Amino acid sequence: RKEVEQDPGPFNVPEGATVAFNCTYSNSASQSFFWYRQDCRKEPKLLMSVYSSGNEDGRFTAQLNRASQYISLLIRDSKLSDSATYLCVVTPSTSNYKLTFGKGTLLTVNP
Amino acid sequence: DAEITQSPRHKITETGRQVTLACHQTWNHNNMFWYRQDLGHGLRLIHYSYGVQDTNKGEVSDGYSVSRSNTEDLPLTLESAASSQTSVYFCASSGAEGQGTDTQYFGPGTRLTVL
Repeated sequence: RKEVEQDPGPFNVPEGATVAFNCTYSNSASQSFFWYRQDCRKEPKLLMSVYSSGNEDGRFTAQLNRASQYISLLIRDSKLSDSATYLCVVTPSTSNYKLTFGKGTLLTVNP
Repeated sequence: DAEITQSPRHKITETGRQVTLACHQTWNHNNMFWYRQDLGHGLRLIHYSYGVQDTNKGEVSDGYSVSRSNTEDLPLTLESAASSQTSVYFCASSGAEGQGTDTQYFGPGTRLTVL
């Protein structure tokens, strides 16, 4: 099982749609979880951290299920500007600052 | 504003040449990382450093080396460039415990082509 697995997509959705991305991780000792966003030919940028209780930032909601080792990202009311690759990212442990990246899910929001 | 920069942004070189990619951060972060990104592989860790004089190998370190002589810089050297090292290279940094979170901030990347 790969350390971090994501559906590569692509996801093509119309503006205003709700889209959900899923991610699974193999290391049950993983401590920190993130979603990064990467625009074409640009660097990855932090979208949001993922907390055990789930968290929301505007149109974006992230959830973590430690028992199932599963992370999700929900985007509501999609905008054209949401078109990007979304990377699921996991930190193996609190004493290790390395990140493990999924390969990313490509989202295209169409007018 | 604090930032992380990489240079050059684009580089074309020939097989067998030594190449050094620069990474400079003004966040005062202890942790610095080098990744390469290729289609079908995502981001893969090459080398990383948790502080001055500290360097560690990542999952794809063969053919690469780094040195950390100060907090701000972590140059990546390709000892003898190979075509398989054609890639996009990203540098990142993060704060150590006591400095904040383990969130990594990325530089703009260097596109390297080895002919």
